Amino acid sequence: QKEVEQNSGPLSVPEGAIASLNCTYSDRGSQSFFWYRQYSGKSPELIMFIYSNGDKEDGRFTAQLNKASQYVSLLIRDSQPSDSATYLCAVLPSGSARQLTFGSGTQLTVLP
Amino acid sequence: DGGITQSPKYLFRKEGQNVTLSCEQNLNHDAMYWYRQDPGQGLRLIYYSQIVNDFQKGDIAEGYSVSREKKESFPLTVTSAQKNPTAFYLCASSNEGAYEQYFGPGTRLTVT
Repeated sequence: QKEVEQNSGPLSVPEGAIASLNCTYSDRGSQSFFWYRQYSGKSPELIMFIYSNGDKEDGRFTAQLNKASQYVSLLIRDSQPSDSATYLCAVLPSGSARQLTFGSGTQLTVLP
Repeated sequence: DGGITQSPKYLFRKEGQNVTLSCEQNLNHDAMYWYRQDPGQGLRLIYYSQIVNDFQKGDIAEGYSVSREKKESFPLTVTSAQKNPTAFYLCASSNEGAYEQYFGPGTRLTVT
């Protein structure tokens, strides 16, 4: 079973701080990694994807990938209360046609 | 506007009844997916389809059926054989050559 693990939280950070969300995966051959944001009662929304080792920045969001250590993280700079949501990590395992494996998500609360 | 629509938003059924959930997309995506999400959990893949008239079972296909007669439509039937059908059902699609998936708004099914 190819697994994706996330700390369920809740993770609380003050407004304006950096929120750091982590995800580890078991399949060393995984190639593609995705972060989704899910507000309570809503469907997941794609925030970022990353394929190569290193950092990828998009506005206040930075995805970091370390394939050797098998983890991917999401940093949210200048966190806002509107960032309060559950963040899902998804991985494309090796041998998978296009099916993603999702973690159970980390609940983030940004305190005003 | 391009997107994925799911209907209805809320669905209530009695135990023993089959129910069909609708999923339509006008993004011209070739692949479509059905997931189930239970409270506090990640997404679990039920079925997916990469081309018209072809689909494959995901991790939890038992008690569900699908069809893919048109590129834009991928309905899911929850049969009476599904032991615990109450859940949030999410439909997603992805474009040819891409791995990122985009989600519809979801259908919340309650079976009593």
